[in-house]
Amino acid sequence: EVQLVESGGGLVQPGGSLRLSCAASGFTFSSYSMNWVRQAPGKGLEWVSYISSSSSTIYYADSVKGRFTISRDNAKNSLYLQMNSLRDEDTAVYYCARDQDAFDIWGQGTMVTVSS
Amino acid sequence: DIVMTQTPLSLSVTPGQPASISCKSSQSLLHSDGKTYLYWYLQKPGQSPQLLIYEVSNRFSGVPDRFSGSGSGTDFTLKISRVEAEDVGVYYCMQSIQLPPITFGQGTRLEIK
Repeated sequence: EVQLVESGGGLVQPGGSLRLSCAASGFTFSSYSMNWVRQAPGKGLEWVSYISSSSSTIYYADSVKGRFTISRDNAKNSLYLQMNSLRDEDTAVYYCARDQDAFDIWGQGTMVTVSS
Repeated sequence: DIVMTQTPLSLSVTPGQPASISCKSSQSLLHSDGKTYLYWYLQKPGQSPQLLIYEVSNRFSGVPDRFSGSGSGTDFTLKISRVEAEDVGVYYCMQSIQLPPITFGQGTRLEIK
């Protein structure tokens, strides 16, 4: 079964750090670009970051540039999002999504709460 | 950034009746490669988003044929020919012709009367 499973969310204070992981299974992870998308409570979808299959191309939303770092380990079939200098407005469910131009597979999401 | 504008933001539909959602982009989504990078997603209550339509009008695997997409350039429409109870949720359009950033519409909430 093709599957993405996020982990690593939790409660963190403003200014703190968190590392999210996304474990892929059921497909050849190394062949696909990947994305992180987030959704603040009661709000719509916001694209966060993109990484190509070989990690050669990386993009970020302006809202997280300089604070978040996307990476992947194809040997471990895993995608990561290192989040530093977290702000209240980063509070959201974070989804990883497989990229075939369309986001055809999504994980179940992991909740990140930034609060003192 | 390309702005995606959906209308209406909410609609209430009687089961068996049709529904239509519009999505307009601030720039053309037609690429020089011939593809139009416009997608539709449905997020059912308490679930992750799921892909419905890719490249304007192609139904993703397993999507019922009551869902259809149309449009070109900057104007796009998602239609449900006969709404069923399982269609409730929030519908989003998305563009990926230009990144960064990939952008979504605000979402359209569909409820059943």
